[in-house]
Amino acid sequence: DAGITQSPRHKVTETGTPVTLRCHQTENHRYMYWYRQDPGHGLRLIHYSYGVKDTDKGEVSDGYSVSRSKTEDFLLTLESATSSQTSVYFCAGGGSADTQYFGPGTRLTVL
Amino acid sequence: GESVGLHLPTLSVQEGDNSIINCAYSNSASDYFIWYKQESGKGPQFIIDIRSNMDKRQGQRVTVLLNKTVKHLSLQIAATQPGDSAVYFCAENINGGYNKLIFGAGTRLAVHP
Repeated sequence: DAGITQSPRHKVTETGTPVTLRCHQTENHRYMYWYRQDPGHGLRLIHYSYGVKDTDKGEVSDGYSVSRSKTEDFLLTLESATSSQTSVYFCAGGGSADTQYFGPGTRLTVL
Repeated sequence: GESVGLHLPTLSVQEGDNSIINCAYSNSASDYFIWYKQESGKGPQFIIDIRSNMDKRQGQRVTVLLNKTVKHLSLQIAATQPGDSAVYFCAENINGGYNKLIFGAGTRLAVHP
């Protein structure tokens, strides 16, 4: 997993509850990313970070927020989870114009 | 719109044969391409990459070919093994500023003994 871990690996929650997924990296990647993967859609970028406290939106950012208070950690928060946010979430890290290395994923089910 | 796509959603091969997985891209400004392998229940794993100033790059049992004229990318796997069974994604970098990657939907490679 190229030095990237995600927690939790599996989570079941109820509609309307807040959820935070954590990504931790040990490779000093400058850039970090959150994707979701759904059948028929492939990997879609939610948010990314290009440095500590520097983040921006991806193509499917509605309903999600992120924070990066230090290089190693990138948090994804669902303020009020909905069933449409049931998905597998992947964190990735990398350098500029470089390969992105992925974590093992978090399977989130919103009931 | 501009996107990365794959010609074949499923590819079945016999063990020991060579496999070729194809990918079409439409953004002529893309300058970096990556192939990933994703096994069931795992995250995408980097296989090989190629920059637009090259047309071929070889790794261990894998070769990536880039044809910029027709905007086509392929991954060749030599002597395919059962452990190669997975979904393969191509991705293109369309913005070097923050390394935005656009991924195709994936091709499933099934290797039969």
